[in-house]
Amino acid sequence: QQQVKQSPQSLIVQKGGISIINCAYENTAFDYFPWYQQFPGKGPALLIAIRPDVSEKKEGRFTISFNKSAKQFSLHIMDSQPGDSATYFCAASSWTGNQFYFGTGTSLTVIP
Amino acid sequence: DGGITQSPKYLFRKEGQNVTLSCEQNLNHDAMYWYRQDPGQGLRLIYYSQIVNDFQKGDIAEGYSVSREKKESFPLTVTSAQKNPTAFYLCASSTGQAKIKEAFFGQGTRLTVV
Repeated sequence: QQQVKQSPQSLIVQKGGISIINCAYENTAFDYFPWYQQFPGKGPALLIAIRPDVSEKKEGRFTISFNKSAKQFSLHIMDSQPGDSATYFCAASSWTGNQFYFGTGTSLTVIP
Repeated sequence: DGGITQSPKYLFRKEGQNVTLSCEQNLNHDAMYWYRQDPGQGLRLIYYSQIVNDFQKGDIAEGYSVSREKKESFPLTVTSAQKNPTAFYLCASSTGQAKIKEAFFGQGTRLTVV
């Protein structure tokens, strides 16, 4: 059973456009929602993370929007660049546990 | 530099052979994890350990074994019982504290059965 559902599986965006990746969860015990960026042949690296006490967090061109009532959160990449082409994973973790539950990933391609 | 080191980067295994993947961290993290990554399936948890000498099975533990004798080290053995071991394996660690949740990943080991 997939604890965190991620969509779309792949995404192609023009340079300068906005990339949007969505995730949904069911477990209301989750209280930490990170996004990871992974380049081919490398390990994932933390991009940005949010806790449910805020509805939005922005770091540079990357923004997480969080909707607690809908149990959804999304990553927005503004002014997408070819260097942003990578696989993005959303994840969730709970206060009481140390497990991280990952989405299935989104392969983003930014076309010059 | 602090971080997680996985070795080797590439590993080839013959049918029926056990192989061990190394994971070492110098971040002083309590929790460590092993994930398997296959195309289109994201990261699936194999085993995790929250403290030395203790570990729990994840979603796909069959055919794998681990040990946690030292805080810094969490090796993964892929046994001959794992029927489809070809994959990219990722080790991660975190503090284990509820307030500081970030997980750090190694660079991965690509295992291929030949």
